[in-house]
Amino acid sequence: GAVVSQHPSRVICKSGTSVKIECRSLDFQATTMFWYRQFPKQSLMLMATSNEGSKATYEQGVEKDKFLINHASLTLSTLTVTSAHPEDSSFYICSARAFSGTGTRNTEAFFGQGTRLTVV
Amino acid sequence: GNSVTQMEGPVTLSEEAFLTINCTYTATGYPSLFWYVQYPGEGLQLLLKATKADDKGSNKGFEATYRKETTSFHLEKGSVQVSDSAVYFCALPNSGNTPLVFGKGTRLSVIA
Repeated sequence: GAVVSQHPSRVICKSGTSVKIECRSLDFQATTMFWYRQFPKQSLMLMATSNEGSKATYEQGVEKDKFLINHASLTLSTLTVTSAHPEDSSFYICSARAFSGTGTRNTEAFFGQGTRLTVV
Repeated sequence: GNSVTQMEGPVTLSEEAFLTINCTYTATGYPSLFWYVQYPGEGLQLLLKATKADDKGSNKGFEATYRKETTSFHLEKGSVQVSDSAVYFCALPNSGNTPLVFGKGTRLSVIA
């Protein structure tokens, strides 16, 4: 089945630095990828929709200058947490849906392994 | 748009107990329905799915039946194991290439 690979799985960075998280679709082309944030013991919170070749669409309340998204190819989207602070510490997950003959209307989503970001 | 309501946990069961996690949905038309599982420290994995009414999805001993009459997709397992401890999410799509709509998740803990 389709695979989405996310790296790194875990990162610790100093406050004020930037961290880049990569999300790759390994055996299918993903024109759209989705980035989520998950707080401990909570559900997924959609942050943004990443569109290949165009600007990302951010959910209300998500700072686009803080969370930079680039989707330069059909298989790679990146999320950069800029000037990270301890409150940015969280679990970040990417996702993509594969196209079937009828588009994505009824296809499942595939998820990366997640990235645990800790800002110290 | 479509929406899903899922039984909130946490749920704690003894090994070999019967599991039911309720999920009901509101949707236009008859979209596919999904159950995802998230093990500690990992992303989400598709557990099972059903693509039309009366379909039964099954995997790893888990089952869920697409009930159009009651707009439900309850997850069941006859005998849970400690290794089933995880968070379970019910989900369905909206139209187009949009993210799936998820329930809030149900945390299951199985004790030996």
